[in-house]
Amino acid sequence: GQQVMQIPQYQHVQEGEDFTTYCNSSTTLSNIQWYKQRPGGHPVFLIQLVKSGEVKKQKRLTFQFGEAKKNSSLHITATQTTDVGTYFCAGPGSNYQLIWGAGTKLIIKP
Amino acid sequence: ETGVTQSPTHLIKTRGQQVTLRCSSQSGHNTVSWYQQALGQGPQFIFQYYREEENGRGNFPPRFSGLQFPNYSSELNVNALELDDSALYLCASSIKNSGANVLTFGAGSRLTVL
Repeated sequence: GQQVMQIPQYQHVQEGEDFTTYCNSSTTLSNIQWYKQRPGGHPVFLIQLVKSGEVKKQKRLTFQFGEAKKNSSLHITATQTTDVGTYFCAGPGSNYQLIWGAGTKLIIKP
Repeated sequence: ETGVTQSPTHLIKTRGQQVTLRCSSQSGHNTVSWYQQALGQGPQFIFQYYREEENGRGNFPPRFSGLQFPNYSSELNVNALELDDSALYLCASSIKNSGANVLTFGAGSRLTVL
């Protein structure tokens, strides 16, 4: 069945360092969404990418959608403590569902 | 504009029991989806309700069932609970045919099955 793989599972960074998470789908996607889940919280929608090769920015966050519409990435520049959480990518599957990656947990080293 | 609300927030059940979880969708949203999130994993789609009917289902057995009411609120029922059903159950509302299946999640109901 359709799968969305996300790496790495965890990333430990010093505050101020950059963070990147990568998402790969087994099938071509019509769009891809990114969500953030804070510890103990629920997923919150960040952005949706639709076009091949699309790049969108939200302040220190940069989202990319691959040319083949099968991969995507999220890059955070100069991480802050408020960035802590798990970042998920999700793509549309059959039966109106979203297929989610396993998430990348951003951990700020003390 | 009110967000998605879920109840209860936490509950503990024993194996074999039944549970009902409730969800009120965000104002203006007509579609409700339910997801199961095990610890350390991404959400897994259970099913979606639109116009009071199930119109999409993930890989979950029939003992997972649901309802949607005319006011777009929804219930998730799980019968014959198993230990592996312990998880965070997330309800998400959205607008059908809006061109983007963007989900607004509630805070979730954390179920522990002993």
